[in-house]
This record gives sequence, C-alpha cells and structure tokens, in this order.
Amino acid sequence: NAGVTQTPKFRILKIGQSMTLQCTQDMNHNYMYWYRQDPGMGLKLIYYSVGAGITDKGEVPNGYNVSRSTTEDFPLRLELAAPSQTSVYFCASSYGVAYNEQFFGPGTRLTVL
Amino acid sequence: TQLLEQSPQFLSIQEGENLTVYCNSSSVFSSLQWYRQEPGEGPVLLVTVVTGGEVKKLKRLTFQFGDARKDSSLHITAAQPGDTGLYLCAVLTGGFKTIFGAGTRLFVKA
Repeated sequence: NAGVTQTPKFRILKIGQSMTLQCTQDMNHNYMYWYRQDPGMGLKLIYYSVGAGITDKGEVPNGYNVSRSTTEDFPLRLELAAPSQTSVYFCASSYGVAYNEQFFGPGTRLTVL
Repeated sequence: TQLLEQSPQFLSIQEGENLTVYCNSSSVFSSLQWYRQEPGEGPVLLVTVVTGGEVKKLKRLTFQFGDARKDSSLHITAAQPGDTGLYLCAVLTGGFKTIFGAGTRLFVKA
C-alpha cells in the first residue's frame, strides 16, 4: 500500500494564479483532511470530508475549495493565490472510528510570490 | 488563544540526556494523542492516551495523561539523534476533527 500520496511536492505560484493540490489514499478510509502548517503554528484544518460527496469547512477555509467525488481522492483547489497561502499543505485520511488515527501524506510546499 | 499549549517550543540537547515536553489545556478531553513529525515528512501517530493518570511506554518514550485529563507529558530517556523531530499533541473534537498544538521542536546532537 502506498498510503497517502500528494502531488506536487513543491510549487511556486505567482499572486493571482490558481492550482490544485492532489491527494490520493489507498486504505479505503472514509475520512480525509487538508491541513496547512505554518512555521511555529502547528497544523490548521482547512477542509475535511466524511465520505464521497460530503465536505465541510475546518478552521481556515477561506481561499480554498475542495471536492470529493471518490473515496480515494480529495483535491484542494486554490483560487487567486495570495502570499498568505505560502505554507506546507498536508493531506490525511482516517477510518473515522475509535480515536481516529490519522495517516498523513508527505506534504506539498507551496510558495506564493 | 490556542486550545493546546505545548512547551517548550524548542529544545536542543546532547545525545544521552533525558527530557520532558508538555501539552496543557484548560479543557477536559476524553483522549489525547501524540504525533512525531520528522523533517520533510507528515506526522506519525505515536500513542493515544484515554484514561486520567494513564501512563504508556513506547521503548524510551513515556507518555502520561493528567489525572484531570487536561494535560499530558512526554518523557524521553537517553535521547538519540533519531528522536529529532517535531512532537505534536492533538485532541479529537466533534465530528472526528482533530486540533493540534503548535508542537515542540526537538534537536538531539550526536
């Protein structure tokens, strides 16, 4: 099993550009999450999904959109990139039972100039 | 104000030393988790503690959940360079959402 995979690993965007961060999991997990990690700030939840077709906002959703058309994929869309979106983005998945251990991808480092 | 306060923010020690890091809150939790994140990778779950006063050991790492279930500590005995990383505490909130602390960044020098 590959676990949670994310592409790309690195990306530089200009202000106002758009992009999609890809996330795929092969563990048949119902729950999927997007986080951003800023230096010294821990992980902040952007959006999450409890199953195909169901998404909800987390702590910091502004400037982002998500969709969940399949169990495996949970892409994160950035529209009109801003310097404040410079961060490392992590996708995670879980079964959504018991204590909800989350499995994380390797992250995407995004810089907006 | 952060729900979870972790201290210290940064710790640099020599190989072989012992250390303790803390995760504190004013809220009561039904469980608390510790994750470790190595440079360039995503966090990996180390342990979940669920009972007030509970102590769990994972090789040289000892985790304790406070009696009132508001705080937790992680003690590392005889730290090794492989222990270097960011240690995050986390709690479940409603709807299987997880809130993370800002973390303690540990550097163990050989």
